[in-house]
Amino acid sequence: SQTIHQWPATLVQPVGSPLSLECTVEGTSNPNLYWYRQAAGRGLQLLFYSVGIGQISSEVPQNLSASRPQDRQFILSSKKLLLSDSGFYLCAWRRTGTTGELFFGEGSRLTVL
Amino acid sequence: GNSVTQMEGPVTLSEEAFLTINCTYTATGYPSLFWYVQYPGEGLQLLLKATKADDKGSNKGFEATYRKETTSFHLEKGSVQVSDSAVYFCALSQAAGNMLTFGGGTRLMVKP
Repeated sequence: SQTIHQWPATLVQPVGSPLSLECTVEGTSNPNLYWYRQAAGRGLQLLFYSVGIGQISSEVPQNLSASRPQDRQFILSSKKLLLSDSGFYLCAWRRTGTTGELFFGEGSRLTVL
Repeated sequence: GNSVTQMEGPVTLSEEAFLTINCTYTATGYPSLFWYVQYPGEGLQLLLKATKADDKGSNKGFEATYRKETTSFHLEKGSVQVSDSAVYFCALSQAAGNMLTFGGGTRLMVKP
């Protein structure tokens, strides 16, 4: 069976510090991968998605970036965090070439102080 | 473009009450439709889905029917429990494109 994990689960960082959130998927190959952000009490905002290694599409211009160094690894990064980067970050995957559902990770809560 | 509209919450119900959360969509063709549930502090879990018109998705006592004529996918449950308190998201997916389109989410609070 397929599983998805993301870490860390909780992170408290000062403004201006770097960020790295990691997500890995197991039990499948060549998945589509996604990063979403959820601000407190708000809906889902798609940040990045990837259809393959090294292929990243950005949905929202911001100081965040994403990378996919391996088939089942997706990393969300920032060089300098802003207060507005606080939120709940969700990684998700989907089978390539399908219109099926997304499978979400447990989420990473980021607080920028 | 595609869009999903959900009723705004919060929806507050007493235990054992009947639940309806409305969801309507705008899309061309025949999208697949989904309901996700998010418990506090957790990621989203797929609750149910329907892939063609008149399909009924069901899971854990929740149901939703894909109504092409009204472009709707309303979520229902006959008797809610306190443990159903969560945020519910309606979403659609189409053959073209790589993404799901989500509604804004509806918070459900069930009181004992």
